[in-house]
Amino acid sequence: GAVVSQHPSRVICKSGTSVKIECRSLDFQATTMFWYRQFPKQSLMLMATSNEGSKATYEQGVEKDKFLINHASLTLSTLTVTSAHPEDSSFYICSARYLAGSTDTQYFGPGTRLTVL
Amino acid sequence: GENVEQHPSTLSVQEGDSAVIKCTYSDSASNYFPWYKQELGKRPQLIIDIRSNVGEKKDQRIAVTLNKTAKHFSLHITETQPEDSAVYFCAASMPPRTSYGKLTFGQGTILTVHP
Repeated sequence: GAVVSQHPSRVICKSGTSVKIECRSLDFQATTMFWYRQFPKQSLMLMATSNEGSKATYEQGVEKDKFLINHASLTLSTLTVTSAHPEDSSFYICSARYLAGSTDTQYFGPGTRLTVL
Repeated sequence: GENVEQHPSTLSVQEGDSAVIKCTYSDSASNYFPWYKQELGKRPQLIIDIRSNVGEKKDQRIAVTLNKTAKHFSLHITETQPEDSAVYFCAASMPPRTSYGKLTFGQGTILTVHP
């Protein structure tokens, strides 16, 4: 149980285009999902907290108009990188908050490798 | 906000030896401390976690200890194997009612286990 999927796994796009990444909790409902960005050989940097049915909360320094987050259902959150530029190239990972009894933890998706040409 | 420091950044051990990774956190309100293992290009995998009402937790070759007073927690891996080689991240979280379970991660430790 507690499986999180992410799609696509890899995407290459031209500068100026928008890219949508989906994060799904496959076997549980997640009222909260998180979006991270990870540069090579670095830690996970939280970009935003996504709560179902409400606006996402962005971390300081993350442009909300550039990284659009939608959490329309209890099993799906999407991150759209708008007008992507080469500096947006990175590994984007989502996680879903898993709540069951006394368990309250996060499970991660497999990540999306974004390359902007 | 919370700040998590992790040491060492790299750790090299011989197969069968023990490995210890240490983290400190800044906010005494943090009460949940998970450890994740991440292999190259893969997702972080939860390997063990501990809550602030417990001082130690063990799962086979892996253990985590927590010192709330000093605000530090450690990951202990015994009888290391080559497949333990990966990047390990510690994290800290404040009570969900204030943070929705948001995690603050340490910088990561690259563990290499030599056969």
